[in-house]
Amino acid sequence: DAGVTQSPTHLIKTRGQHVTLRCSPISGHKSVSWYQQVLGQGPQFIFQYYEKEERGRGNFPDRFSARQFPNYSSELNVNALLLGDSALYLCASSRTSEPYGYTFGSGTRLTVV
Amino acid sequence: ILNVEQSPQSLHVQEGDSTNFTCSFPSSNFYALHWYRWETAKSPEALFVMTLNGDEKKKGRISATLNTKEGYSYLYIKGSQPEDSATYLCAFTGNQFYFGTGTSLTVIP
Repeated sequence: DAGVTQSPTHLIKTRGQHVTLRCSPISGHKSVSWYQQVLGQGPQFIFQYYEKEERGRGNFPDRFSARQFPNYSSELNVNALLLGDSALYLCASSRTSEPYGYTFGSGTRLTVV
Repeated sequence: ILNVEQSPQSLHVQEGDSTNFTCSFPSSNFYALHWYRWETAKSPEALFVMTLNGDEKKKGRISATLNTKEGYSYLYIKGSQPEDSATYLCAFTGNQFYFGTGTSLTVIP
């Protein structure tokens, strides 16, 4: 079985631009969560989606949004990029909405210049 | 914001040495404590999930203990090998994952 796949693996954007990151969960997993890891810090929770509905949101500005599609894949969108948005963005999937049994992707490295 | 702390931040040990790290978390509203092993450019790999006070888990040379009353977990590696070099993350689970900042382990051959 394929693991959690994220695309792209690396991305360079300019301040003010918009970015879309994609995540495909493991087959059978209905929950997708997004995390941001800034250098030197632990991953910080951004969003959780389960069955296409938002189940949780971390302390991130409205420039961050996400959605989940009928096939349970997910997109994370960030508008009006700031230098501080440069980070590794991790996606994790699980079977249920409980924060348990997460499998992580290898992340998208976003650099904002 | 919930605080999960890991110590030390980084560690260098010789091959064959045994080592341990600490994860500290709030002792209230505990659901589970997770340990992950994260190699550079790879996905975090789940090592252990612990839910009960006094839990001890073992996987090969790696083991972990849990004390939910005082809010800490220890991860032990016996006879460290170069392939153990990675960042070890703990995550406290309430209604979501709260990650620590990780302990970066380097095992010197």
